[in-house]
Amino acid sequence: GDSVTQMEGPVTLSEEAFLTINCTYTATGYPSLFWYVQYPGEGLQLLLKATKADDKGSNKGFEATYRKETTSFHLEKGSVQVSDSAVYFCGRGSTLGRLYFGRGTQLTVWP
Amino acid sequence: GAVVSQHPSRVICKSGTSVKIECRSLDFQATTMFWYRQFPKQSLMLMATSNEGSKATYEQGVEKDKFLINHASLTLSTLTVTSAHPEDSSFYICSSEDTGSADTQYFGPGTRLTVL
Repeated sequence: GDSVTQMEGPVTLSEEAFLTINCTYTATGYPSLFWYVQYPGEGLQLLLKATKADDKGSNKGFEATYRKETTSFHLEKGSVQVSDSAVYFCGRGSTLGRLYFGRGTQLTVWP
Repeated sequence: GAVVSQHPSRVICKSGTSVKIECRSLDFQATTMFWYRQFPKQSLMLMATSNEGSKATYEQGVEKDKFLINHASLTLSTLTVTSAHPEDSSFYICSSEDTGSADTQYFGPGTRLTVL
């Protein structure tokens, strides 16, 4: 069935390191794709999204490109900061506004 | 951005009792809200879609008689966990789609339920 698979964590990086969190999906058609972030003690917030193939979503230095050939939406950031420490969720849209998420990836950035 | 609140933020109850969790959209009207369950170190699992003025739509495998959803107004949806058991202990999160911001959902801070 339709699903979202993202890289298992936890991911631990030093400040200014390069970040990649892999995400692949299976779905019928071409759903909208999302990355949400959950900071400690807070609710999920939309980080970025892409609604069609080859679209690139970007926000706060994070980027992800909708690749229909590889059914992927990998999250990248060139230089992470301590404040980026959070749990990142990859998600895909479905009918009637529903969202389905991957397992979440815990990112910890050390100074 | 739009704000979604949940109440209570945490609740502890005895096995066999029922617990109601509220989800409110504070600055927009929400014809549709969503309820999720988050397990430790696991993904957010979509439980159901709450529709204002009509029955909720449940995801496969979610017991509708166990998790009662009511969406009586455009700003409030409630999830009632009936006859709660320890295995129902979890983090419950609601979200809502602001019709003015297509494809974007706003999430509540979550409710931690512990069933003793």
